[in-house]
Amino acid sequence: GESVGLHLPTLSVQEGDNSIINCAYSNSASDYFIWYKQESGKGPQFIIDIRSNMDKRQGQRVTVLLNKTVKHLSLQIAATQPGDSAVYFCAESGRDDKIIFGKGTRLHILP
Amino acid sequence: DTEVTQTPKHLVMGMTNKKSLKCEQHMGHRAMYWYKQKAKKPPELMFVYSYEKLSINESVPSRFSPECPNSSLLNLHLHALQPEDSALYLCASSQAGTGGGYTFGSGTRLTVV
Repeated sequence: GESVGLHLPTLSVQEGDNSIINCAYSNSASDYFIWYKQESGKGPQFIIDIRSNMDKRQGQRVTVLLNKTVKHLSLQIAATQPGDSAVYFCAESGRDDKIIFGKGTRLHILP
Repeated sequence: DTEVTQTPKHLVMGMTNKKSLKCEQHMGHRAMYWYKQKAKKPPELMFVYSYEKLSINESVPSRFSPECPNSSLLNLHLHALQPEDSALYLCASSQAGTGGGYTFGSGTRLTVV
């Protein structure tokens, strides 16, 4: 069946360093991938997305990489800040208006 | 307006109560969603409405009844819930059929007593 998973439940990163959060997906038919950030008590907040016809997309301090060969997605956060502390979810979608979330990685920022 | 608004933010209800969760967006999105999120878990899809028609029901128990009165509003009617239904209920919207522009509301924290 469809599933999206993450490799690590928790990631601790020194403030100022770069963070890399990984995700594996299994549905080859998915053509749209999204990263969300969720802070405590809030709904998921869109960070960046990428379509299957791309392998890299950059935003402000964030980069998403897509490797369709091994069905792997990653989120890179440059110069991690205390405000980046949150749970990060990858999600996948096809043309059926259905998005499926991965398990989530909690990012801890060390002072 | 680029937001999805959910009301109420918090709700406590008894197992015999009937209540409704409401969701509203004015972004012109024609797909709207209900998700359920338990603590420390990812959101799980419950229902999808596309062009005001129910297109996906992820085998949700009938004590949850969705309704889409128009393209801007989405309701979730609750009746005879169980304590295990306590969770954060999230509404989202997107541009239908394109896989893009998903926006989530802040959710309703539901506690069933």
